[in-house]
Amino acid sequence: AQKITQTQPGMFVQEKEAVTLDCTYDTSDPSYGLFWYKQPSSGEMIFLIYQGSYDQQNATEGRYSLNFQKARKSANLVISASQLGDSAMYFCAMSTYTGNQFYFGTGTSLTVIP
Amino acid sequence: DARVTQTPRHKVTEMGQEVTMRCQPILGHNTVFWYRQTMMQGLELLAYFRNRAPLDDSGMPKDRFSAEMPDATLATLKIQPSEPRDSAVYFCASGKGVPDTQYFGPGTRLTVL
Repeated sequence: AQKITQTQPGMFVQEKEAVTLDCTYDTSDPSYGLFWYKQPSSGEMIFLIYQGSYDQQNATEGRYSLNFQKARKSANLVISASQLGDSAMYFCAMSTYTGNQFYFGTGTSLTVIP
Repeated sequence: DARVTQTPRHKVTEMGQEVTMRCQPILGHNTVFWYRQTMMQGLELLAYFRNRAPLDDSGMPKDRFSAEMPDATLATLKIQPSEPRDSAVYFCASGKGVPDTQYFGPGTRLTVL
């Protein structure tokens, strides 16, 4: 069964510090993609970053980077230099070539403290 | 900047009424997803279309929900009759295929009284 697990319901981080949000996944498909989305209090779902299962290097997008450890089946999101605007819900997601589906985790609520 | 659009953004209706939500996917995208988000259940996949054909609607209550893509620029989600437990935010998302990135619309916040 395909599955995404986010074990941190809530996280706090001091402004300007880095924070890691955990995500583990489970799939038997060798070809898959991993995604992170941000959902601020306004409710929109914002795409942040993508990592393909065959990508050799960790994906980076500005202050966001994805720490991809294939053997451990983990795809943690690292946010560097946290800003107050980073306070939001963060969802990890996975999609597989054969599954024809997107699987979302339950999310992690991040609060950035001034 | 291409975006997924959804209408209406907010809908308040009474139990038993029909509700239709519309989604315009990003031009060139061939996959469309409908999700429902509630505090209790989180994000649930309701239906998935590729090239306008329904591929998976197993997450959708069949007796009252229906999803269609009349053309490549319009996807609809209909609830008839609506019930209070249908109150949620309904998101539409589109992409270029699986496992490509999905881009979400702003959502329709539905309240059924």
